[in-house]
Amino acid sequence: GQSLEQPSEVTAVEGAIVQINCTYQTSGFYGLSWYQQHDGGAPTFLSYNGLDGLEETGRFSSFLSRSDSYGYLLLQELQMKDSASYFCAVRDLLAHNSGGYQKVTFGIGTKLQVIP
Amino acid sequence: DGGITQSPKYLFRKEGQNVTLSCEQNLNHDAMYWYRQDPGQGLRLIYYSQIVNDFQKGDIAEGYSVSREKKESFPLTVTSAQKNPTAFYLCASSMLDNYGYTFGSGTRLTVV
Repeated sequence: GQSLEQPSEVTAVEGAIVQINCTYQTSGFYGLSWYQQHDGGAPTFLSYNGLDGLEETGRFSSFLSRSDSYGYLLLQELQMKDSASYFCAVRDLLAHNSGGYQKVTFGIGTKLQVIP
Repeated sequence: DGGITQSPKYLFRKEGQNVTLSCEQNLNHDAMYWYRQDPGQGLRLIYYSQIVNDFQKGDIAEGYSVSREKKESFPLTVTSAQKNPTAFYLCASSMLDNYGYTFGSGTRLTVV
């Protein structure tokens, strides 16, 4: 099966940098995604890492180390609107009669609170 | 604008009644998914469909049913067999080779 671990809560100051870690265990790892969800809202896709290294998108960066089964999301120049839950999600190849389906399993989410 | 629409946003039902949640997308995405979200448990996959007239069970399919008669639509029925149906239900879609999901705004179902 698959399992993911990420911290349940993180608090950081406006303007600062915060890193949200994610470790995973899967049988057929294919890639790691990150999603943002504001309270009561829909998750929105932030980034995807299929290869080792850093992916940068504006103030957000995501990192993957396949050998360590570890990734992180880095948020820079934090703003109050960044207060939300952040989910890591593992893309995992599952053998299936239809020819293979890359299932996505989500972590429980990290609630980030940005304070003034 | 393209997107994925879930309706209704809030739904109340009496215990023992079946209820159907709507999900429609105009993104021309091949794959559609239903997730359930409970506090502290992240998102759990209920059903998914990669093509029309085909769908597969996810991790927690018991007590749920789906259909995929059109590419744009993937309704979810919560049956009376689902023992704990009160939850936030999220529908998502993606291309088969796209690594990012587009989610709908969700339906919060409360069974009393």
